[in-house]
Amino acid sequence: DAGVTQSPTHLIKTRGQQVTLRCSPKSGHDTVSWYQQALGQGPQFIFQYYEEEERQRGNFPDRFSGHQFPNYSSELNVNALLLGDSALYLCATRYFRDNSPLHFGNGTRLTVT
Amino acid sequence: RKEVEQDPGPFNVPEGATVAFNCTYSNSASQSFFWYRQDCRKEPKLLMSVYSSGNEDGRFTAQLNRASQYISLLIRDSKLSDSATYLCVAAYNDYKLSFGAGTTVTVRA
Repeated sequence: DAGVTQSPTHLIKTRGQQVTLRCSPKSGHDTVSWYQQALGQGPQFIFQYYEEEERQRGNFPDRFSGHQFPNYSSELNVNALLLGDSALYLCATRYFRDNSPLHFGNGTRLTVT
Repeated sequence: RKEVEQDPGPFNVPEGATVAFNCTYSNSASQSFFWYRQDCRKEPKLLMSVYSSGNEDGRFTAQLNRASQYISLLIRDSKLSDSATYLCVAAYNDYKLSFGAGTTVTVRA
């Protein structure tokens, strides 16, 4: 039973570029949340997707957008990258209708130069 | 003000010792509370949920004080493998978790 998988594991981009990160949920999970974790900080909630719609959003600018596909996988897109976007991006999934905690993927480490 | 605040530590303790630390949360409407463990450069993993009556899981004990809005974690008989960063979490709903910045614990032989 595969857990939450994220790709790529590492990525280096230049300021102003755009990036797409991918997440495949744990089997049986249909809800995906994205978090940003800067060095020395706790993860910060970006947004959450369920039934292919953004359901909740944290305090992140519109440069951060996402998508959920019919197979429940998800993408996080960040446009016009800033140096401050360098962080570990974590995907967390769960099944919408039960109370089980979130399961996190290994994350994508994004470095913006 | 951050939604969840933790003492960053580090807490350096010998094997077998007891270590305890707290976190505070600002949103009184928070409904669920957790402790996650995060090893260096890895993803957070759920350590335990925190219930109002307090709960234990082996050597780990968690307490919640809603009146004072703080959560605690106590680790008994510390093992080398307990060395990690412990993230305190308060959740207003099931999806948006508010994480603290973490408390670093180092257990030495």
